[in-house]
Amino acid sequence: AQSVTQLGSHVSVSEGALVLLRCNYSSSVPPYLFWYVQYPNQGLQLLLKYTTGATLVKGINGFEAEFKKSETSFHLTKPSAHMSDAAEYFCAVSNTGNQFYFGTGTSLTVIP
Amino acid sequence: DAMVIQNPRYQVTQFGKPVTLSCSQTLNHNVMYWYQQKSSQAPKLLFHYYDKDFNNEADTPDNFQSRRPNTSFCFLDIRSPGLGDAAMYLCATSPEVLVGGEQFFGPGTRLTVL
Repeated sequence: AQSVTQLGSHVSVSEGALVLLRCNYSSSVPPYLFWYVQYPNQGLQLLLKYTTGATLVKGINGFEAEFKKSETSFHLTKPSAHMSDAAEYFCAVSNTGNQFYFGTGTSLTVIP
Repeated sequence: DAMVIQNPRYQVTQFGKPVTLSCSQTLNHNVMYWYQQKSSQAPKLLFHYYDKDFNNEADTPDNFQSRRPNTSFCFLDIRSPGLGDAAMYLCATSPEVLVGGEQFFGPGTRLTVL
């Protein structure tokens, strides 16, 4: 069975500071991992995904995530937060049937 | 631009009054999904269509039904909405049921039940 845990339902950072959003997964098969962003009253937009190959994945808007199998983690980072990064972030794992299991989300606040 | 469109963006209905939410896509994807997302919660898959084949999640209430008359359109019908059905409803598509494949989401319809 697959599941995702996002540690910290709310994260606040200062503008220009490092963003770190945590995601741990459990999967009985090699995982396929995703980060989506959701702005208020909008749908989910893909930031990045890991399927196979390089464990450090670069996405849009300067975000990246590293797949660490030994830690069952897929944390999302961005070196310097921008005001426009304020949003809800969802980590997800998918199975062989392409069914997605989402975490409960992390709300990112950027303080000017 | 190719996209997933949901109408209306905001829907208000009365307790027990049937409501239909609409999703259309210009991506020509085979698979369409409906998710329910309650406030501060993760999206929860209700069902999906692979082409015309309907796949219902085991815990989706019978109150929720879906129709896919053609590749482009998919509808979510809530036969007798209860207060607990107030949520954001997200439609998503994917080209195939591919391992590691991305899902493309529409903007959602926020349903209010009075």
